[in-house]
Amino acid sequence: DTAVSQTPKYLVTQMGNDKSIKCEQNLGHDTMYWYKQDSKKFLKIMFSYNNKELIINETVPNRFSPKSPDKAHLNLHINSLELGDSAVYFCASSPNPGLAGYEQYFGPGTRLTVT
Amino acid sequence: SQKIEQNSEALNIQEGKTATLTCNYTNYSPAYLQWYRQDPGRGPVFLLLIRENEKEKRKERLKVTFDTTLKQSLFHITASQPADSATYLCALGDTGFQKLVFGTGTRLLVSP
Repeated sequence: DTAVSQTPKYLVTQMGNDKSIKCEQNLGHDTMYWYKQDSKKFLKIMFSYNNKELIINETVPNRFSPKSPDKAHLNLHINSLELGDSAVYFCASSPNPGLAGYEQYFGPGTRLTVT
Repeated sequence: SQKIEQNSEALNIQEGKTATLTCNYTNYSPAYLQWYRQDPGRGPVFLLLIRENEKEKRKERLKVTFDTTLKQSLFHITASQPADSATYLCALGDTGFQKLVFGTGTRLLVSP
């Protein structure tokens, strides 16, 4: 009965490869996010989708492409992986917040290592 | 540009004492502020939310204050326990689509 799940948990790959990370939430939330946490533990938002529509797109290289097939899933595809992409990637979800602001529920993270 | 600062050094306290963590921000007028807990190898877990028109919020042993004049939030854990040892992140948000901007976190170590 995991709320936000991600696969895989660990991903080791070589430079230049293309890889995907999958995220699913069973909370019925409308909004999903991808975050990147670097080696200094700084957590930064990358993308956000609300009901399958892209609503936040931070300054992220074009090699990163999110895809939301339905509002319970948000996948992250990364092309031509670079050493600097090594980090922990977190998926999160929250209810449609309106103006009130709601907590975000995070997945367990995917540790990506590019060699 | 927006800047959120939390103590980068770990905070070491003894069990039973009150832990106080600080979150300062500049160039930002958040509608609300949230605190999260993160354990090693896991995702952040939501603890408390406080809105710009609120001064203080409590939840069990946790208390958060929010001073929009000082641009500061204080996070208190009373009667701390070794199980409270973790990294605590503050996050600021504005109205609209929940874009949270996180601080770098403060690691709390509670020793028996």
